[in-house]
Amino acid sequence: NAGVMQNPRHLVRRRGQEARLRCSPMKGHSHVYWYRQLPEEGLKFMVYLQKENIIDESGMPKERFSAEFPKEGPSILRIQQVVRGDSAAYFCASSGRAWQETQYFGPGTRLLVL
Amino acid sequence: AQTVTQSQPEMSVQEAETVTLSCTYDTSESDYYLFWYKQPPSRQMILVIRQEAYKQQNATENRFSVNFQKAAKSFSLKISDSQLGDAAMYFCAYRSWTQGGSEKLVFGKGTKLTVNP
Repeated sequence: NAGVMQNPRHLVRRRGQEARLRCSPMKGHSHVYWYRQLPEEGLKFMVYLQKENIIDESGMPKERFSAEFPKEGPSILRIQQVVRGDSAAYFCASSGRAWQETQYFGPGTRLLVL
Repeated sequence: AQTVTQSQPEMSVQEAETVTLSCTYDTSESDYYLFWYKQPPSRQMILVIRQEAYKQQNATENRFSVNFQKAAKSFSLKISDSQLGDAAMYFCAYRSWTQGGSEKLVFGKGTKLTVNP
């Protein structure tokens, strides 16, 4: 059973460009969570999605960031007009049933903004 | 809002010895989950151990065990017979239990564990 997949593993963008991060949950999982890890920090929750629904986006910056989890295909975290402060590791986690299940993490995407 | 505090930024242990990593948390909820995750240099987040707050028995997984003190809101991780492969950042995390409550994990800032040969 494949684990949580994230791509790309490393992404370099110049200021003002767009970054798209993809996450495929574990087989059979329909709940996806995105977290951000700044250097020397713990992970901070960004958004929780189920298929075609955003359940909790309380950790998402109000501007430039968006997330989706379509009926078909991976979950996408999109950052428009990236700035240097967006440089971080972005982790996706998935679970089978939200409130009773452990979240399993992908390997992360390291975003570097030049 | 729930908070998680790891007061030890760094710890070191000799190979084959035992080490304990501290974690305290703040919540007004009575039912919740607590986790320890390991992040080795590869940066992959790996689940080490999980504890349900309603369970009085401390969770154990091979060489890893916890000391869960609900009244004190303390959740420490003990690693016995430390191995070189245990060297990593260790994160303590909290999650609500209640259906309809927040599903997010709240993480501490981590403890960097070094294992000396």
